[in-house]
Amino acid sequence: QKEVEQDPGPLSVPEGAIVSLNCTYSNSAFQYFMWYRQYSRKGPELLMYTYSSGNKEDGRFTAQVDKSSKYISLFIRDSQPSDSATYLCAMKGRSVKAAGNKLTFGGGTRVLVKP
Amino acid sequence: DGGITQSPKYLFRKEGQNVTLSCEQNLNHDAMYWYRQDPGQGLRLIYYSQIVNDFQKGDIAEGYSVSREKKESFPLTVTSAQKNPTAFYLCASSIVAGLETQYFGPGTRLLVL
Repeated sequence: QKEVEQDPGPLSVPEGAIVSLNCTYSNSAFQYFMWYRQYSRKGPELLMYTYSSGNKEDGRFTAQVDKSSKYISLFIRDSQPSDSATYLCAMKGRSVKAAGNKLTFGGGTRVLVKP
Repeated sequence: DGGITQSPKYLFRKEGQNVTLSCEQNLNHDAMYWYRQDPGQGLRLIYYSQIVNDFQKGDIAEGYSVSREKKESFPLTVTSAQKNPTAFYLCASSIVAGLETQYFGPGTRLLVL
């Protein structure tokens, strides 16, 4: 079983809808959680970065972390066709020295926002 | 403009050939990383370097080699020992001090002829 599980999709939604993405993980040592957006044949771009449990909002994006359930979510409000991309979750433990700040990634969810 | 550059964008490798992928950053980041991305598998860590002249193996280092002679540069060589090199290769960097996250370059797609 992978340390981080993410539904590969594709997740297809109409323009203006809310996109809901999630990842589950098994390692309770993970403390820092990230969401990256990756357009086809491009490098991942950091969207959200959160520490421990709780919510964080940035414009149309909201990230939620539930450490008790080992479950993280990303919500995209008022979705646009330009939001069509693959969304990767990533996480890491607290210690910088351990494995050099290593990130563990989910496999990514492909999202299609239809006009 | 600060950022990470990778070259070439596409690279073709012949049987038995070593090829080198370039990664340069002008963000003054101490740490640099190389990942391999295959469809549906997310990113897997090949090598990382926290400081000049030092680097460590990641999860899938076999068949790869790196060097870190300058802070700005972290080239990756895909050797002939890597039997399945076709993939999208991503370089990343981060500030080691503290717990900042990693920023990625645009990637190099390696294909085998």
